[in-house]
Amino acid sequence: AQRVTQPEKLLSVFKGAPVELKCNYSYSGSPELFWYVQYSRQRLQLLLRHISRESIKGFTADLNKGETSFHLKKPFAQEEDSAMYYCAPPTPPGNNRKLIWGLGTSLAVNP
Amino acid sequence: EAQVTQNPRYLITVTGKKLTVTCSQNMNHEYMSWYRQDPGLGLRQIYYSMNVEVTDKGDVPEGYKVSRKEKRNFPLILESPSPNQTSLYFCASSLLGGPTGELFFGEGSRLTVL
Repeated sequence: AQRVTQPEKLLSVFKGAPVELKCNYSYSGSPELFWYVQYSRQRLQLLLRHISRESIKGFTADLNKGETSFHLKKPFAQEEDSAMYYCAPPTPPGNNRKLIWGLGTSLAVNP
Repeated sequence: EAQVTQNPRYLITVTGKKLTVTCSQNMNHEYMSWYRQDPGLGLRQIYYSMNVEVTDKGDVPEGYKVSRKEKRNFPLILESPSPNQTSLYFCASSLLGGPTGELFFGEGSRLTVL
């Protein structure tokens, strides 16, 4: 299986502090990766896709092929950023159907 | 409004009593999928479907069935639910061949099996 891993289950920061949610992948070739966010009691929704290189809600993510990473970053965390974040492969997966999502990182931004 | 709709949103049932969780999308997506979300285990895929009448197992298919008779619907069937199927279930859909591979999720169905 080609796998996406998120090493941190829980990340706690103070409001205004920088935040980085880590994501690593084990793909070969050129990966496509996404960040999804799940706010409390809401559905998962797309936050960022790597191909667009856009910034959403102050978050950015850069694909680093050398480190096989796609870390999510925000310079100044806000309390409303508290949520569950998933790093995810593309869907549908293409030739290899076995693609494993990251386990998710729960971000808590404290006042 | 483009959306994925799941029903029921909440369900408490007993072991062995067959149940179906429905999923419907109005975006003409070919790809549909079911996931379960459990604390510490993230999102795990149960079944997926690439198109009508085409379904395949995901990572945790045991105890579940699906069908895809119409493009818009992808029900999840638990023939004989057991307590270890207590979980939060999400249905999702995506456009095959689309530029982004983005998944659109339903609001989730919280199932408790006693």
